[in-house]
Amino acid sequence: SQQGEEDPQALSIQEGENATMNCSYKTSINNLQWYRQNSGRGLVHLILIRSNEREKHSGRLRVTLDTSKKSSSLLITASRAADTASYFCATERTSGTYKYIFGTGTRLKVLA
Amino acid sequence: DTGVSQDPRHKITKRGQNVTFRCDPISEHNRLYWYRQTLGQGPEFLTYFQNEAQLEKSRLLSDRFSAERPKGSFSTLEIQRTEQGDSAMYLCASSPAPGKSGNNEKLFFGSGTQLSVL
Repeated sequence: SQQGEEDPQALSIQEGENATMNCSYKTSINNLQWYRQNSGRGLVHLILIRSNEREKHSGRLRVTLDTSKKSSSLLITASRAADTASYFCATERTSGTYKYIFGTGTRLKVLA
Repeated sequence: DTGVSQDPRHKITKRGQNVTFRCDPISEHNRLYWYRQTLGQGPEFLTYFQNEAQLEKSRLLSDRFSAERPKGSFSTLEIQRTEQGDSAMYLCASSPAPGKSGNNEKLFFGSGTQLSVL
């Protein structure tokens, strides 16, 4: 498969808790991005981290990148019911292709 | 609305029929992508355009699939002789040219066309 992998596949938490999801990929990359998708809709970009960065923050989001392990994590702090969605990582390879490879996604449910 | 627009939102067709989807990217974006997504999976790359040039096609894109972007603006994706396995959400995304301010690696997605082949 051309896809990266994410875990867990599904996550259910209470409002106010933190949610962590992980992404693993297979090749050298220029950057890794996280997207969010509400049911039946298109994807919305959340945050981008470049291969020479290790951590990045944006509001309640914290992303880490470990290129030696070819993995990334997305932390959503103080989750809200409105954060309920699927979250995907996408990687841009260093050469030979223009495509972004998406992971299989984590389905997050935040219970009010 | 200046986002990526896809038409139709839903398409139901019978096996063996041809279907065509349209994507209107954000006007100043010269890169355009088509992805396919099935239930519970992430988007899978189909093809990529830079202006009117189709620069990459996935092996997923069989000879029944063809995509065009004739004037470097809108794009169409046609599926001939549809099969039940073609049932999926077809997503279009666009991004600015390289070197543009800050967001050239970020993809802007449309809401997709949900295809059901009966």
